[in-house]
Amino acid sequence: ELKVEQNPLFLSMQEGKNYTIYCNYSTTSDRLYWYRQDPGKSLESLFVLLSNGAVKQEGRLMASLDTKARLSTLHITAAVHDLSATYFCAPLRSGTYKYIFGTGTRLKVLA
Amino acid sequence: NAGVTQTPKFQVLKTGQSMTLQCAQDMNHEYMSWYRQDPGMGLRLIHYSVGAGITDQGEVPNGYNVSRSTTEDFPLRLLSAAPSQTSVYFCASSSDAETGFVEKLFFGSGTQLSVL
Repeated sequence: ELKVEQNPLFLSMQEGKNYTIYCNYSTTSDRLYWYRQDPGKSLESLFVLLSNGAVKQEGRLMASLDTKARLSTLHITAAVHDLSATYFCAPLRSGTYKYIFGTGTRLKVLA
Repeated sequence: NAGVTQTPKFQVLKTGQSMTLQCAQDMNHEYMSWYRQDPGMGLRLIHYSVGAGITDQGEVPNGYNVSRSTTEDFPLRLLSAAPSQTSVYFCASSSDAETGFVEKLFFGSGTQLSVL
């Protein structure tokens, strides 16, 4: 069974600061996605990470994957208010068609 | 393209009632799935389908039925609603034709269901 843990669950940070969200998963995974959800809205994908050492960056967000440690990180650089949202990681359980979502990290960026 | 369309957006049921949440996609995606979202628990997979006529269980399938008679539609049926099924339900679809893996999920706007 694939279990996914994200931390922190809640994150309140000042604009301009840096921070990292962590996603640990318990068994092997073929790929991992990060999603963003704005309050009351649906989810949209941000990044897909396919292999060990993969790094993807878009704007102030950078995601990485360490398959040996079963760890993915989402790093926020110089946060701005527009990044306030809930972020989910979702690894694909190996050999299945099942994406298992983490509990989510609710990010609030204070002006 | 409309993408993934869910109806209704809001629904209130009484315990024991049955209903169907509708989901349709116009992207010719083979893969479709249903998730429920509860506070502090992320999204949990209820059922999924890899093509017309093929469905399988996810993490929390009890109390729900699905069928896939066409590529476009994937309805979720609540057989006898219970208060524990109060949640936000999301339908999602994806393509896997080229890579063999399920690619990124495209989500519908969600259905907020309350069971009294």
